[in-house]
Amino acid sequence: QKEVEQNSGPLSVPEGAIASLNCTYSDRGSQSFFWYRQYSGKSPELIMFIYSNGDKEDGRFTAQLNKASQYVSLLIRDSQPSDSATYLCAVNPSLLGATNKLIFGTGTLLAVQP
Amino acid sequence: DGGITQSPKYLFRKEGQNVTLSCEQNLNHDAMYWYRQDPGQGLRLIYYSQIVNDFQKGDIAEGYSVSREKKESFPLTVTSAQKNPTAFYLCASRTGQTDTQYFGPGTRLTVL
Repeated sequence: QKEVEQNSGPLSVPEGAIASLNCTYSDRGSQSFFWYRQYSGKSPELIMFIYSNGDKEDGRFTAQLNKASQYVSLLIRDSQPSDSATYLCAVNPSLLGATNKLIFGTGTLLAVQP
Repeated sequence: DGGITQSPKYLFRKEGQNVTLSCEQNLNHDAMYWYRQDPGQGLRLIYYSQIVNDFQKGDIAEGYSVSREKKESFPLTVTSAQKNPTAFYLCASRTGQTDTQYFGPGTRLTVL
């Protein structure tokens, strides 16, 4: 069973700090990785995707991928109270025939304190 | 506006009833997905469809059925065989060129 693991949190950070969210995955052959943000009672919205090792930046968000260690992280700089949400990590596994089926972690709850 | 719509937003079902959740997209996306989300759990895949008139079971298909007669529509029926249907149901879609999935607003189903 392919798995995606996240610390459920809550991760509490002060406003203006850097929030670091981590995710590990079990399938070494996984090729694509996604971060979604989900506000309470709402549906997930895509923040970033990353395919290659290294960093990918988009505004205040940076996704980091390390395939050798099988982890992907999301950094949020200058955290704002509006960033308070659950962050879901999703991975596209490499199984033949499992085309574009994402496996989701259970999410990390982030709380940004004013 | 392009997007994914789901209806109704809230749905209440009595024991033994079948109910159908609607999912429509005008993004011209090829593939569509149904997930279920329970408190404290990740999204679990119920069914998915990569082309019209074809669909596959996901990890928790028992007690559910789907159809894909049009590219834009992928309705989900929760049957009376689903023993614990109370959950948040999410529909998603993606283009054929990427594996990025986009979600609709969701339907919250409660069994009375």
